[in-house]
Amino acid sequence: EVQLVESGGGLIQPGGSLRLSCAASGFTVSTNYMNWLRQAPGKGLEWVSVIYSGGRTYYADSVKGRFIISRDSSTNTLYLQMSSLRAEDTAVYYCARRDPDSWAFDYWGQGTLVTVSS
Amino acid sequence: EIVLTQSPDFQSVTPKEKVTITCRASQNIGRSLHWYQQKPDQSPKLLIKYASQSFSGVPSRFSGSGSGTDFTLTINSLEAGDAATYYCHQSSSLPWTFGQGTKVEIK
Repeated sequence: EVQLVESGGGLIQPGGSLRLSCAASGFTVSTNYMNWLRQAPGKGLEWVSVIYSGGRTYYADSVKGRFIISRDSSTNTLYLQMSSLRAEDTAVYYCARRDPDSWAFDYWGQGTLVTVSS
Repeated sequence: EIVLTQSPDFQSVTPKEKVTITCRASQNIGRSLHWYQQKPDQSPKLLIKYASQSFSGVPSRFSGSGSGTDFTLTINSLEAGDAATYYCHQSSSLPWTFGQGTKVEIK
């Protein structure tokens, strides 16, 4: 059974840093296209970042230069290192796998809330 | 960036009624359009991939159609448990984007 479990969210001051984790089971993170998405309170969904199986990474303009996506094959875990956090980064952050055939996001975690506030 | 515009933003529907949600893309995306259901306080769930292919385990009352710039999600015979916000999403080109969502309420 495919499962994704995020952790690492919390309250952080503007300008601070935080690292989110996404522990995967039922499949191999390093051979899939893995993503981070977010949803601000009461708002819609926003794609944040992807890491391809080959290691290439892409970011939304809103986080480029501040967030870094990575993975650890030994623990089958996806990460999102967030720095220079702003109030507008406040959101529930989801990790999700991209289906290799259709490129839909076929499995999602339950999300972890990041609140950027002083 | 490809903009996806859903309509309507909100729909109040009685059980067993048919629901139709449309998603229009700002440029041709072929069939790279997917639909998700998000219930309150839950993560999104994939319903339809590649415009019209049902994802594993999704009830047959959910169906999708369209290609190019115009797409439709249809829910036949709505059930009380279908109350949710529905999103379309394009995977044609980066940055991958979502529609603004359509909230379906049960009368």
